[in-house]
Amino acid sequence: ETGVTQTPRHLVMGMTNKKSLKCEQHLGHNAMYWYKQSAKKPLELMFVYSLEERVENNSVPSRFSPECPNSSHLFLHLHTLQPEDSALYLCASSQEGGNTEAFFGQGTRLTVV
Amino acid sequence: GESVGLHLPTLSVQEGDNSIINCAYSNSASDYFIWYKQESGKGPQFIIDIRSNMDKRQGQRVTVLLNKTVKHLSLQIAATQPGDSAVYFCADRSSGSARQLTFGSGTQLTVLP
Repeated sequence: ETGVTQTPRHLVMGMTNKKSLKCEQHLGHNAMYWYKQSAKKPLELMFVYSLEERVENNSVPSRFSPECPNSSHLFLHLHTLQPEDSALYLCASSQEGGNTEAFFGQGTRLTVV
Repeated sequence: GESVGLHLPTLSVQEGDNSIINCAYSNSASDYFIWYKQESGKGPQFIIDIRSNMDKRQGQRVTVLLNKTVKHLSLQIAATQPGDSAVYFCADRSSGSARQLTFGSGTQLTVLP
């Protein structure tokens, strides 16, 4: 079992749909992240949760709504998305308090039609 | 503003040769650096990291070099293998923003038979 698991792996949704992405980490970390990866662009940090509290929100549109019910789970709720939101959405976790790497999930490939 | 960039978007090497992937960063406050490998359809995987109090660190077949004077980071892969074909990202973390990694846009490494 991988350390960070994301579901679904692929998602196609219409602009009027509501869907959620799920992330679960089995590493005992206390911080979780959502990143967006578009073609030929650097990874863009969207949200950071530390100890289940949202500590960063990098000017992400309100059509993306994160939720962190506990330190092991992270959701990204999606509604009324635009075609330009199509991308790979990556979840990551890390242990705060020191210089340690972030561990990534496999990502959800989202296509908005 | 802060940026992390890679010198070349693509790199092709012969199998068995050594590969060198370069990265430049702009934030003088960066004190931690990571290299990630991302294979097609997968999330980024940690390769090696280095702290700013070091200038070289070696792993299995990989070496990271840090030159803080010119804000340059490189990843050397010895005896490159077909399985090394992937996109390689460098990332840095500022000592003033312990949670946030800033990623470069990636270099596509292709290993030729």
